[in-house]
Amino acid sequence: DAGITQSPRHKVTETGTPVTLRCHQTENHRYMYWYRQDPGHGLRLIHYSYGVKDTDKGEVSDGYSVSRSKTEDFLLTLESATSSQTSVYFCAISESFGTSGSGNEQFFGPGTRLTVL
Amino acid sequence: GIQVEQSPPDLILQEGANSTLRCNFSDSVNNLQWFHQNPWGQLINLFYIPSGTKQNGRLSATTVATERYSLLYISSSQTTDSGVYFCAVEGNTPLVFGKGTRLSVIA
Repeated sequence: DAGITQSPRHKVTETGTPVTLRCHQTENHRYMYWYRQDPGHGLRLIHYSYGVKDTDKGEVSDGYSVSRSKTEDFLLTLESATSSQTSVYFCAISESFGTSGSGNEQFFGPGTRLTVL
Repeated sequence: GIQVEQSPPDLILQEGANSTLRCNFSDSVNNLQWFHQNPWGQLINLFYIPSGTKQNGRLSATTVATERYSLLYISSSQTTDSGVYFCAVEGNTPLVFGKGTRLSVIA
């Protein structure tokens, strides 16, 4: 199994509070991703990173920011949580992106269940 | 952006039956993956298959890239196969997921 951990695994917070989720990998992969999963939508990309300090937006980036100061860690921050951000958040990693070859294969962490009251 | 459609949305099988899940996508892709999300929410990689055919035990997958579809075959289904099966594709953006097929295998 790919070495990906997420913390916390569960969190309940109140509307308007800041929240930071952490993804940690031990595979030294260049690419890291944050997705959210909601009923009826499958998984949708929030942000991704293609190296230390290099990030880009995904389909549903509004209300989220990310940071990557080390290869192994990718943080997702909700500056002021809203009830619409109640979801399950998954982190993923891959060696490469945009090229052919199995290095593009993404591996997923266990997920963080976030509830915003 | 690229669109991914999976069918059927729901499937109920008797243990031992076979099934075929389909994934259609709207553009050329560098990556196509099949995942199984188990009842505990874990996403398990089944196949990395942007083209061709692969087999792993009772599961096999075929992607016909020129016709923009992929098929996942499950043979001799078991109750542990229950869960949601996702197809996801990567074109110019990271993985775009379909909405999944929910499979229930009944003993």
